[in-house]
Amino acid sequence: DADVTQTPRNRITKTGKRIMLECSQTKGHDRMYWYRQDPGLGLRLIYYSFDVKDINKGEISDGYSVSRQAQAKFSLSLESAIPNQTALYFCATSDSARQGNQPQHFGDGTRLSIL
Amino acid sequence: SQKIEQNSEALNIQEGKTATLTCNYTNYSPAYLQWYRQDPGRGPVFLLLIRENEKEKRKERLKVTFDTTLKQSLFHITASQPADSATYLCALVSSGGYNKLIFGAGTRLAVHP
Repeated sequence: DADVTQTPRNRITKTGKRIMLECSQTKGHDRMYWYRQDPGLGLRLIYYSFDVKDINKGEISDGYSVSRQAQAKFSLSLESAIPNQTALYFCATSDSARQGNQPQHFGDGTRLSIL
Repeated sequence: SQKIEQNSEALNIQEGKTATLTCNYTNYSPAYLQWYRQDPGRGPVFLLLIRENEKEKRKERLKVTFDTTLKQSLFHITASQPADSATYLCALVSSGGYNKLIFGAGTRLAVHP
């Protein structure tokens, strides 16, 4: 089983709909992240969380919200989806044992299309 | 603002040759730099980390260099194989620390038999 699991893997929806992407992990990591990936732009950080009580905005948080329901679960919501939020979304985790030099572990992504 | 540049053009090489990918950065002096591999339809997978006081790091057929004067990292795959074909991403730990990474857009490598 994957260490970082994202659901759904694919989603097509309409403008204005509310969407939730879910991420769960079995690695026991404290830190979790949400990124979006667009062609030619690389991964951009949307939100990150260092523990259950900690939520921080990333580079491109407008139009998104998150919830850290438990150490193992971190969900991303689009309250009212718009077409330019069409992208590949990744969840990642990392250990907090040593700051600054921990690798991040990624799920396999959610491909989101907003019509 | 911190910026990372990777060659957007795909790198095509012959099996058995050494592949060299470049990562350049500006407006920042990161303490760490990481390299990831991403296959189509999959999330990035961590490969190597190098610290600013390390000039070179090796892992099997992989070698990474980190030149803080040139603000550049080179990623080498020796004796390349078709299975090495993927997109390779470099990432810097941002000035905000706490393992926030800034990713380059990646370079696609194609190794031909």
